[in-house]
Amino acid sequence: DIQMTQSPSSLSASVGDRVTITCRASQGIRNDLGWYQHKPGKAPKRLIYAASSLQSGVPSRFSGSGSGTEFTLTISSLQPEDFATYYCLQHNSYPYTFGQGTKLEIK
Amino acid sequence: QVQLVESGGGLVKPGGSLRLSCAASGFTFSDYYMTWIRQAPGKGPEWLSYISTTSGFTKYADSVKGRFTISRDNAKSSLYLQMNSLRVEDTAIYYCARDLAAGYWGQGTLVTVSS
Repeated sequence: DIQMTQSPSSLSASVGDRVTITCRASQGIRNDLGWYQHKPGKAPKRLIYAASSLQSGVPSRFSGSGSGTEFTLTISSLQPEDFATYYCLQHNSYPYTFGQGTKLEIK
Repeated sequence: QVQLVESGGGLVKPGGSLRLSCAASGFTFSDYYMTWIRQAPGKGPEWLSYISTTSGFTKYADSVKGRFTISRDNAKSSLYLQMNSLRVEDTAIYYCARDLAAGYWGQGTLVTVSS
């Protein structure tokens, strides 16, 4: 199985900060990776698909990059509604696997 | 807009069964692979199963293979997960998602397996 190592597991930041979250795959997955935002009690929401493509309707302060084994999600200027848990998902090789998550909290 | 609504969760004893449903709307259901994902308390999400557009192909995680069965009814725009021989470790929120890359998710339904 492909392991997705996501870091950091938690992060405290302030409104307006730039934040970067990383996922590393245990083997190459091309660009078969998505980033998801999850708030308690709500449906998880995909932000980025194919590693760097912005999902329709998602603010442009979110961006993704990477290919192969290393990927990043960047939020350029944190807004209050961005405090949530973020996950990456690889869909290159079954079983598809998620990172363990990054909980983004208000400093 | 795309909407996925899960139902059928609840409290069940170990060894019991439960059938989850997912009602889809806002897109042509029969055009998309569909997926079940779960998230146990305090853990990251786990990919469970997917089904092809015409039900001709299914895939399962090892953790549920032989116990869970995914199915769909395109006429009803509905996805199902039949869960048998439930274990305590199956306790989780169960989500349905559209396509293999989980482009859209429902809000989930809670399954609790406990004696």
